[in-house]
Amino acid sequence: QQQVKQSPQSLIVQKGGIPIINCAYENTAFDYFPWYQQFPGKGPALLIAIRPDVSEKKEGRFTISFNKSAKQFSLHIMDSQPGDSATYFCAASGKIYNQGGKLIFGQGTELSVKP
Amino acid sequence: GAVVSQHPSWVICKSGTSVKIECRSLDFQATTMFWYRQFPKQSLMLMATSNEGSKATYEQGVEKDKFLINHASLTLSTLTVTSAHPEDSSFYICSGQGASYEQYFGPGTRLTVT
Repeated sequence: QQQVKQSPQSLIVQKGGIPIINCAYENTAFDYFPWYQQFPGKGPALLIAIRPDVSEKKEGRFTISFNKSAKQFSLHIMDSQPGDSATYFCAASGKIYNQGGKLIFGQGTELSVKP
Repeated sequence: GAVVSQHPSWVICKSGTSVKIECRSLDFQATTMFWYRQFPKQSLMLMATSNEGSKATYEQGVEKDKFLINHASLTLSTLTVTSAHPEDSSFYICSGQGASYEQYFGPGTRLTVT
């Protein structure tokens, strides 16, 4: 019930394409859903996050779509660039954790954007 | 976003020795800090959660006597890997969390035990 399932495991798109990464969760107590970007040998960087009271959030070229009834959320990267090539992790957190929002991570998606 | 630093970024030690990794929140007060471990091509695995001035809470399967965590101030947490062995070689990442849910991660520390 604490799992967050992420797909696909890897993704290859051409420059300018719109890669979409999907995540699904089971626990309805989750109320915070961030996406992180990680380059090799670096720590994850917070990209964008959403709460379940909205269905979509955009920040620059990154968009989160959130479907509360389906317990799914996805990351869309508009006009993808080779510099977006990285591993992307979704995560979930909620008040159920009394230690200040422990994150449950998805398995990660390795994105490659070809020039 | 908020900045978290880690030191050292890379360390090599001999089997049986101890290694200390520092995690600092540079521009915010981290009431909670988290320590993760990451193996190549895998997701982050939470090791422990620490609140300033309190004992750390370890995840199931993580040896608290082997991975000593201290969170002495709102800007500093340390992870000490005691009696390190080659299987402890990994990428260790910390994160800090302030008043909101956002967690900001450090750049990671690559530990190699020979």
